Amino acid sequence: QKEVEQDPGPLSVPEGAIVSLNCTYSNSAFQYFMWYRQYSRKGPELLMYTYSSGNKEDGRFTAQVDKSSKYISLFIRDSQPSDSATYLCAMHYGQNFVFGPGTRLSVLP
Amino acid sequence: EAQVTQNPRYLITVTGKKLTVTCSQNMNHEYMSWYRQDPGLGLRQIYYSMNVEVTDKGDVPEGYKVSRKEKRNFPLILESPSPNQTSLYFCASSLSQGNREQYFGPGTRLTVT
Repeated sequence: QKEVEQDPGPLSVPEGAIVSLNCTYSNSAFQYFMWYRQYSRKGPELLMYTYSSGNKEDGRFTAQVDKSSKYISLFIRDSQPSDSATYLCAMHYGQNFVFGPGTRLSVLP
Repeated sequence: EAQVTQNPRYLITVTGKKLTVTCSQNMNHEYMSWYRQDPGLGLRQIYYSMNVEVTDKGDVPEGYKVSRKEKRNFPLILESPSPNQTSLYFCASSLSQGNREQYFGPGTRLTVT
């Protein structure tokens, strides 16, 4: 079993839809949870990170962490074509960063 | 402009021919790291450095070397590349080891034939 599992997609939604992206993990030592966005032919860029269970909101993006279920989500409201990218979840503890394989999202105009 | 730069961006080479991929950051970051990205496997950490002259292995260090002689530079060295090292490589940096906000370079696509 991989440490971090993520549905690879691709996921296609119409513009304006609410998008839900999810990751599960197996290592309870993970302390920080991050979401990165990666456009084609670019490096990943950090969208949000959170430490505790619960929700964290930033504009149209909401990150949700459920440590008891080892499950994290990223919600995108009012999705836009510019949100089309690959979304990577990542976990961190100590010196270790572990990334999920990414979900490719397409938002269709 | 704050950034992480990598060179070259694309490289095709042959088995056994030593190569170096350079990485440089202009943000005075202490922590730097190298990853490889492969389809279905995501980003996997190769090596990281917490500061000058301090480096350590990540999850997939075999076949790679790094050095950190200056704070801004963190080159990745493949002494004898093999086809299984064909991948997309990313350098990243952050303010310190405990800081979660990593800045990634644009990537280097390496093909070893």
